[in-house]
This record gives sequence, structure tokens and C-alpha cells, in this order.
Amino acid sequence: QVQLQESGPGLVKPSETLSLTCTISGGSISRNYWTWIRQPPGKGLEWIGYVYHSGSTNYNPSLKSRVTISVDTSKNQSSLKLTSVTTADTAVYYCARPNGPWADALDIWGQGTMVTVSS
Amino acid sequence: DIQMTQSPSSLSASVGDRVTITCRASQSISDYVNWYQQKPGKAPKVLIYAASSLPSGVPSRFSGSGSGTDFTLTISSLQPEDFAAYYCQQTYSTPRTFGQGTKVEIK
Repeated sequence: QVQLQESGPGLVKPSETLSLTCTISGGSISRNYWTWIRQPPGKGLEWIGYVYHSGSTNYNPSLKSRVTISVDTSKNQSSLKLTSVTTADTAVYYCARPNGPWADALDIWGQGTMVTVSS
Repeated sequence: DIQMTQSPSSLSASVGDRVTITCRASQSISDYVNWYQQKPGKAPKVLIYAASSLPSGVPSRFSGSGSGTDFTLTISSLQPEDFAAYYCQQTYSTPRTFGQGTKVEIK
């Protein structure tokens, strides 16, 4: 049973870099690709981007200049970095697994981690 | 980007009601639509994939239909545990985009 767990600081100062990690357990990171999603408080879901185990990435153009998603296959982890954060980046951040045969529906999600941007 | 316009944004319904939520894509996306249910404080859960396929474990009162630009999620008989938010998502192209969500509340 594959499980995902996000971790990282819950508070980030404006203009600094948000860094989160998604640890995959119960399966190999190399068997799939991995997506990051975020949800501001009381609002809808926003797709941030994804990374293949090879390191190939695809980002939301609205965030592309500030976001980096990577994988560390030795640790079975994916990482998200978002630079120059503002209060608009305050959100719950999720990692999730797209299921290819399921039209890439996100069939496994982490529990999410709340990140607040504030001085 | 493909825009997913979801309606209504909220609805009130009673246990046993039939509920329909729609999603319209800004261009044809074949059947690359998925539906999610999200309860407060929890991660979303996939209800329907590829427009009309039901994952194992999802109750049969949930169904999806549509192709091209217009898609529908139907709950045939609303149960107490179905009061939640629902989102459509297109996976036809990147960036993947979600509908704005529909909050289903108790009447």
C-alpha cells in the first residue's frame, strides 16, 4: 500500500523560499510520477506541477518562474521549492500520485501540510 | 490553459435526493475528466476517472458521464456522508486544471 507524507516548515517569511518534501512509502518512487497540488484556505485546488523519476518536470505556467520539483530516488522522496513567496502562497500543499491507466487521476494523496507565509 | 467551469458552486439537498454537478471544458478533452470528493480537513479522494469509471470501493450511487466538453457527476441518492466538496479535473493537457468546486450542504 503506497502512502505519501508531506513534511516541511509550517511558517515561511515573505520573500523567502518554501521547501517541502514528500516521502513515498510502500512503493518505489521509480514506478510512477509525482504531482504537487495546493489549496489556499477556503479555496479550490491548484495544480503546481509534476516530476518523473527521471527528473523530467512539468510546471504550471503561473508558477513556473518560482517553482522547482525534484526527486531523490535514494530517499524515495520528491521535493518542492517555491521561491520569493508572498501571502498568496499560504495554502495546504499536497503531494499525490497520478494513476496512468486511470486517465492520470490522482489516486493516492498525502494528508497535506499547511504552510503559512507571514512575517 | 483549459478552463473547467463547474456548476453550481454550492447546493443544498436532502438525504435521498438526486444531485447533479456539471463541468464544462473550454475545449474538447475527450474523456479526460476526473471527479474528486473532499471533506473538511482531508485530502481529496477520487470518485470517478476517465469521465465515467468508478474506482473499486466507491459506492455505486456515484456516476459520471460526458465526453468532449460537457461532463456530469451524479449522486443518485444522497447519503449523510456525501455532504462534502466536489471537484472536476481535466488531465487532457498541462497545466492540469480543476473546476472551482461544488459544496454540497444539508438542506
